[in-house]
Amino acid sequence: DAGITQSPRHKVTETGTPVTLRCHQTENHRYMYWYRQDPGHGLRLIHYSYGVKDTDKGEVSDGYSVSRSKTEDFLLTLESATSSQTSVYFCAISDGRVSYEQYFGPGTRLTVT
Amino acid sequence: SQQGEEDPQALSIQEGENATMNCSYKTSINNLQWYRQNSGRGLVHLILIRSNEREKHSGRLRVTLDTSKKSSSLLITASRAADTASYFCATDGNEKLTFGTGTRLTIIP
Repeated sequence: DAGITQSPRHKVTETGTPVTLRCHQTENHRYMYWYRQDPGHGLRLIHYSYGVKDTDKGEVSDGYSVSRSKTEDFLLTLESATSSQTSVYFCAISDGRVSYEQYFGPGTRLTVT
Repeated sequence: SQQGEEDPQALSIQEGENATMNCSYKTSINNLQWYRQNSGRGLVHLILIRSNEREKHSGRLRVTLDTSKKSSSLLITASRAADTASYFCATDGNEKLTFGTGTRLTIIP
């Protein structure tokens, strides 16, 4: 795997609690992405970042916020977790210089009870 | 909404046979990529084909692209048990990729 890690790898939380997932890269890539993967939906983009403090919404951004204060870290926050946010979350990175080929982290399995 | 749609959704073949999966998309693209996902893992990039290319090879993989039909196909030749995985196409536009829902490939030993 490219130098990309996600933490935690598994989390169970209760409805209404805030949750933060972390993505860390050692590749110095400009672009970072958060996806969720659900059966029948493939991967859907939540938010992405094109530089430090530069972020934009994806297809399914409601209920999620992100922050990127350093090149290497991209945080995804569920402001008040709901059962519909139970999913597997993947972070990906891309240098974007020639194409947007992406390298994925191992994923975080989040269960909201 | 999904830009790419893979077909079939699931495919089972005997080891040694060839596997073909297709991807259709809706809007103009810069390039199209194929990814593999093993169970419980993140996606892994397989191959990229640019919009001005018609065919590309990488090892046992062959990808074709028909921009007039907005479709692509991925052929895996001489399949192996280790090829069992889900395969996704992704189209490239505006700094991000849009993924299809994937084809689940099972290789029967």
